[in-house]
Amino acid sequence: DQQVKQNSPSLSVQEGRISILNCDYTNSMFDYFLWYKKYPAEGPTFLISISSIKDKNEDGRFTVFLNKSAKHLSLHIVPSQPGDSAVYFCAASEANAGNMLTFGGGTRLMVKP
Amino acid sequence: DAGVTQSPTHLIKTRGQQVTLRCSPKSGHDTVSWYQQALGQGPQFIFQYYEEEERQRGNFPDRFSGHQFPNYSSELNVNALLLGDSALYLCASGTSGPYNEQFFGPGTRLTVL
Repeated sequence: DQQVKQNSPSLSVQEGRISILNCDYTNSMFDYFLWYKKYPAEGPTFLISISSIKDKNEDGRFTVFLNKSAKHLSLHIVPSQPGDSAVYFCAASEANAGNMLTFGGGTRLMVKP
Repeated sequence: DAGVTQSPTHLIKTRGQQVTLRCSPKSGHDTVSWYQQALGQGPQFIFQYYEEEERQRGNFPDRFSGHQFPNYSSELNVNALLLGDSALYLCASGTSGPYNEQFFGPGTRLTVL
């Protein structure tokens, strides 16, 4: 049973517009959520995180929103740039499970010039 | 400051063989986690090492084993290789407390023929 799901395998956005990537989870014990970006032939790169005591966290062009009641989080990228084209993974962890991360299947974002 | 490094980059083995993958964590990190990423999927947690002991384990058979050395570097060993073990193996390092992001290496691509 997949505890973290990214239901959109791909997303195409025009440069300058907003990209919204979504993630759903089922395990109510998850209390820390992260987004990673992955380019081909590289390991995942940490982007931004949010703990369950918050509902929003911003870092430059990246904002993560958490809706605990819906068990849903989203990553907003504004404005989108061609260099943002990559595969994005959301991941979740529990405080009592150390740093073990449970990943979604990823969303491939393509930002067109 | 070198990030997480892994060796080798690529590896080809045949069924039934054994393989050892290596990882050096980012400076200042004391935990090492290993993940398996099959094609088109998100990374799956194999196990985590802290203070030279396996602290957590995911849903992987005993054919997967590991070790952490006093300098925090780590090895992943896989015995009796199966075709299904073909994947990208990612190493991630972090600090031992919760709510900390993990930093990933570039991975080792293992192909089992």
